[in-house]
Amino acid sequence: AQSVSQHNHHVILSEAASLELGCNYSYGGTVNLFWYVQYPGQHLQLLLKYFSGDPLVKGIKGFEAEFIKSKFSFNLRKPSVQWSDTAEYFCAVNAGGNNNDMRFGAGTRLTVKP
Amino acid sequence: NAGVTQTPKFRVLKTGQSMTLLCAQDMNHEYMYWYRQDPGMGLRLIHYSVGEGTTAKGEVPDGYNVSRLKKQNFLLGLESAAPSQTSVYFCASSGIPGLLGALHFGNGTRLTVT
Repeated sequence: AQSVSQHNHHVILSEAASLELGCNYSYGGTVNLFWYVQYPGQHLQLLLKYFSGDPLVKGIKGFEAEFIKSKFSFNLRKPSVQWSDTAEYFCAVNAGGNNNDMRFGAGTRLTVKP
Repeated sequence: NAGVTQTPKFRVLKTGQSMTLLCAQDMNHEYMYWYRQDPGMGLRLIHYSVGEGTTAKGEVPDGYNVSRLKKQNFLLGLESAAPSQTSVYFCASSGIPGLLGALHFGNGTRLTVT
């Protein structure tokens, strides 16, 4: 079964700093890739997703992620973070096809200091 | 539209007690999922359903049962609660096969087993 690794457990940044959160997965076949965000006290919401095509995916709120197949990675980036980006971020992988099993990483908690 | 609604929001059980968590979605989605979220472990799939009357095991199904008698409802049951089942439980739904449409999450149920 596929697994997902998020390297950073807790990241602390100042406003306007650039962000990159790592995500690696282990699955040799076709995958669908997602980043979800969970703001304090709320449920998970979709940030962006990759299915095929351009490996650089743009999502909501200025976030983007790049799929690098050779590295089995799908890192999340944002050029300039805001205090409101404070949240927990989850990478998720779903094996392509009819597999309904989406696997999540352990999450990265981002704290942005004003 | 309410989206995905979970009840109850909070519950405290004693070891050995039973309970049922209810998930309801009003988006006519075929696919429904139950996840548990634990610190440092992300979300793990307990059970899922690909349509009314069908259920399947996920990554951590032991100690849980589910039923999907109606398309809009997905119930998660704990027959004999254990402290290891203390967690936050999230229900999710998807309208497209293979999770291509990503997941719509409920607000979660925080369960404590003493």
